[in-house]
Amino acid sequence: QSALTQPRSVSGSPGQSVTISCTGTSSDVGGYHYVSWYQEHPGKAPKVMIYDVSKRPSGVPDRFSGSKSGNTASLTISGLQAEDEADYYCFSYTGTYTSWVFGGGTKLTVL
Amino acid sequence: QVQLVQSGAEVKKPGASVKVSCKASGYTFTGYYIHWVRQAPGQGLEWMGWVNPDTGTTKYAQKFQGRVTMTRDTPITTGYMQLSRLTSDDTAVYYCARIQRGGSGLDPWGQGTLVTVSS
Repeated sequence: QSALTQPRSVSGSPGQSVTISCTGTSSDVGGYHYVSWYQEHPGKAPKVMIYDVSKRPSGVPDRFSGSKSGNTASLTISGLQAEDEADYYCFSYTGTYTSWVFGGGTKLTVL
Repeated sequence: QVQLVQSGAEVKKPGASVKVSCKASGYTFTGYYIHWVRQAPGQGLEWMGWVNPDTGTTKYAQKFQGRVTMTRDTPITTGYMQLSRLTSDDTAVYYCARIQRGGSGLDPWGQGTLVTVSS
């Protein structure tokens, strides 16, 4: 199972918005509502920011939002803050082998 | 609170096996699948598989089929991931994580276990 496609890096200035894409196929991202997003800071375990495409766990700022169109899911972070600088990964169920797959990861730099 | 605590770091020789444990607390252990994910140094997250703590049913990523075994010991609310025939490519931090019932969110995660494979 190939990893979902994410941009290697994105950047933005404090206060701006950035969007990270996650492209798969109709067998994974496009076929199910089971896409989640994770934030990972160096040396720390990943933390879920969005689940089921667009739901936000309690405690996650509403600056983080998720959406999906066709075979591409997106994570948007508005009002960028310095602490948002991290790696972000998407994660989707795939019906190909009834399994799950991560995206390759995106490094967000806050300028 | 809901928590997953993993066993400590391991150093193994090529060809050996490693078994990582994941102790769950703060919730009904049999109610949520446990997933295993690894991250090699400087690399991304890689999904390995899951175990259903209630039935013991498992599902593994194709890449690890035949080399990984995920089990659980329900009385002590602990899950295990065993990986055999280790090579240097298996050097990574291994995580366990609970997945939401009927959802896609992995939460919480264990603290991670570093497995180093070196001769």
